[in-house]
Amino acid sequence: AQKVTQAQTEISVVEKEDVTLDCVYETRDTTYYLFWYKQPPSGELVFLIRRNSFDEQNEISGRYSWNFQKSTSSFNFTITASQVVDSAVYFCALSVNTGGFKTIFGAGTRLFVKA
Amino acid sequence: GAVVSQHPSWVICKSGTSVKIECRSLDFQATTMFWYRQFPKQSLMLMATSNEGSKATYEQGVEKDKFLINHASLTLSTLTVTSAHPEDSSFYICSAREGSGSYNEQFFGPGTRLTVL
Repeated sequence: AQKVTQAQTEISVVEKEDVTLDCVYETRDTTYYLFWYKQPPSGELVFLIRRNSFDEQNEISGRYSWNFQKSTSSFNFTITASQVVDSAVYFCALSVNTGGFKTIFGAGTRLFVKA
Repeated sequence: GAVVSQHPSWVICKSGTSVKIECRSLDFQATTMFWYRQFPKQSLMLMATSNEGSKATYEQGVEKDKFLINHASLTLSTLTVTSAHPEDSSFYICSAREGSGSYNEQFFGPGTRLTVL
């Protein structure tokens, strides 16, 4: 069975602080994809990144960076110099295609960035 | 990226009525569409998966007679909440995929907020 764990329910930081959102996943599939989505108050999911299981290279996109480590089954997300506009719920998700395609979402981490 | 639309974006209805939510892939053909439900401050939970022209596959615990899914074309899937009750109030999100390979991306609609009075 597949599972995504986001242990941090809520995080509160002050603007300009760096913050890391943790994600741990479980799957027996060797081919899978990992995602991060941002969900602002409007509710619409905003795609942030997709990473396949064969690509452990870390990625940086502006203030966002992701650390994928298969050895610990983790796919952590760091926001550098956080801003108030970063306040949202962030979901980590896992997609597998064994027995039919399926995406499993973590419980989400609610990030509050205070001015 | 590809665009998935939902209509309506929000709906308020009386208990006992049925509500239909449409999900469209605007610039690609969606081989598979998915329906998720999200209660306040909770995660997205997959309700069902539908392939064009065939019956939907429902997740455990989801009543197929209550949540009717139709995927009649490659660009349209509908979710009908029959005899809606207040506990069905939720945020419903659809997503669509083109193709069936592992690499095929999944695109999400903006969601429909259902409130049942």
